[in-house]
Order: sequence, then structure tokens, then C-alpha cells
Amino acid sequence: AQKVTQAQTEISVVEKEDVTLDCVYETRDTTYYLFWYKQPPSGELVFLIRRNSFDEQNEISGRYSWNFQKSTSSFNFTITASQVVDSAVYFCALLPFSGNTPLVFGKGTRLSVIA
Amino acid sequence: DSGVTQTPKHLITATGQRVTLRCSPRSGDLSVYWYQQSLDQGLQFLIQYYNGEERAKGNILERFSAQQFPDLHSELNLSSLELGDSALYFCASSVAGSNTGELFFGEGSRLTVL
Repeated sequence: AQKVTQAQTEISVVEKEDVTLDCVYETRDTTYYLFWYKQPPSGELVFLIRRNSFDEQNEISGRYSWNFQKSTSSFNFTITASQVVDSAVYFCALLPFSGNTPLVFGKGTRLSVIA
Repeated sequence: DSGVTQTPKHLITATGQRVTLRCSPRSGDLSVYWYQQSLDQGLQFLIQYYNGEERAKGNILERFSAQQFPDLHSELNLSSLELGDSALYFCASSVAGSNTGELFFGEGSRLTVL
């Protein structure tokens, strides 16, 4: 079975602080994709990143960085120098390569960045 | 703007009623997915269509049905509505039939059942 756990339900930080959102996944598949999506207050889900299970290189995109560790089944997301516009719900998701299993989402972490 | 259009954005109805939610995928996308987001269950996959055919099914209730039309738009029909059906219903689209995961989501249709 596929499962994604985001243990942090809500996080509050002060603007300019760094914050890490945790994601732990479970799957029996050896090949899979991992994702992060952002849901701002307006409601739509915005794709942030996709990583495949063969590529454990960390990725950085501006203030965003992702740390994928297969050994601990984790795919953590760090926002550096957070801004008020980063306030949103962030979802981690898992998708096996094979078959038509749909994207499985974690329950999300609500991030509030306070000015 | 993801390019996925959902209507209506908000809908309020009563228990026992039936509603239809509509989704137009991004231009060129053949797959449409429906997800339900509720406070207690998170984002739950309902159903996927690819080029008019049902491709995958999640925990979709028998009271719910969906279809994808030749012009690739999709409709989700919810009938005999219950209070617990109140949720945000998302449509997403992708190019491929096999799910490569990069889904483009619409803004959602918020359903309130009173």
C-alpha cells in the first residue's frame, strides 16, 4: 500500500525564518515519483516539484530546496528566508511508476508566515 | 492559471439533491482526474478518465458518477447528497494516460450540503 505522512499539521514562523516541512512515505514499489504541491488561500493546487526514486540529489530552486533520502523514506521541503506569500498548505505526494495507481497525497501541512 | 477550468466555483444545496460539477482540462491534455478534499480525509482520489474511457477508480461512492466527453471535458455527478459530501472537489488534468504525476489542478468546486 502507498502512504504519505506529513506529521506537522500546522507550523507558524516569523518572516525571514527558515522552515522545513517533513514528509515520510511508504511504498513497496522500487520505482516511484515524489511530489510537493502548494495550496495557497485561493484554493488551487500548484505543482512545485517532482523527483523520481532513482535521483537522490537534493534540488534547490530559489528559496526552496528539497532533501530526498531513500534510506529514511523522506522527502523534506525547506523554505529559506520565508515570506508572507509562502503561507499556504503544502502537500507531499507519492506515485508509483507502474500501473495506474493515482497520486497519493499526505494530509498537508499548513504553514503560516507572520510578518 | 493552470489552464484547468472548473464550474461552478461554489454550490450550496440540500440533502437528497443531485449536482453536476464540470471540468475543462488544459488544452491538449487527455487525462482528467477528480479528487475530493475534506477536512478529515484530506485529498482523496475519486476517478480518472483518459480520452473518454475510465482509467482508474478510487474510493468513489456509488452515488457518484463521472464521464468524459468527446471534447475531453468531464462531469462529476453527485446524487442523493448527504451532509458528509460537503467538500472541495478538484479536477486535474495531464497529458498522458499513465499517470506521470504532474497534474494541473483547477481551482476546485466547493460544495456545501445543508
